[in-house]
Amino acid sequence: NAGVTQTPKFQVLKTGQSMTLQCAQDMNHNSMYWYRQDPGMGLRLIYYSASEGTTDKGEVPNGYNVSRLNKREFSLRLESAAPSQTSVYFCASSVKASDTQYFGPGTRLTVL
Amino acid sequence: QKEVEQNSGPLSVPEGAIASLNCTYSDRGSQSFFWYRQYSGKSPELIMFIYSNGDKEDGRFTAQLNKASQYVSLLIRDSQPSDSATYLCAVNLYSSASKIIFGSGTRLSIRP
Repeated sequence: NAGVTQTPKFQVLKTGQSMTLQCAQDMNHNSMYWYRQDPGMGLRLIYYSASEGTTDKGEVPNGYNVSRLNKREFSLRLESAAPSQTSVYFCASSVKASDTQYFGPGTRLTVL
Repeated sequence: QKEVEQNSGPLSVPEGAIASLNCTYSDRGSQSFFWYRQYSGKSPELIMFIYSNGDKEDGRFTAQLNKASQYVSLLIRDSQPSDSATYLCAVNLYSSASKIIFGSGTRLSIRP
């Protein structure tokens, strides 16, 4: 039982490049989330998926897109990376929306 | 006004003393409240959750909720050096029940 896994762990991009961050959970959770964490800013919600087949914007969705591929997988895409997107990205899942969240190990992204 | 506010710290507490961490929130209808601990370079992990007014105890940790005053606190008794971490308060918004908003965190340092 791996819990929540994220790939890659580290990534360096140049401005304008695109990439997809992958997240998978094996806990049969219904809800999944993407956050970014910047120094002194806490966790800010980018997008979430309350249940399979639904996605909604969080606090800071601009510049990102998401896909809930199936119940297990929730990906985050940066279409044209910008230096302001340099951050640590965490994926999380919960049994249902507003329930306890379990976090993946994070992806450290640097955009040059 | 931010939806969830915490004092960023750092809060320095001697070993063996009680550490008190506070959090206020703006959405009066919020129903679910969480405390997460995050060690440097790691992902957040749940310490406690509380849904009802009053106190909830789990080992050395006590969560206190006062919905009338819109604050939630975490007390750590017999503080240990291993408690040194950033503590994140999280609140589910009544206005959007699927969203949980995190505070920016309080950095706690336990000095020997």
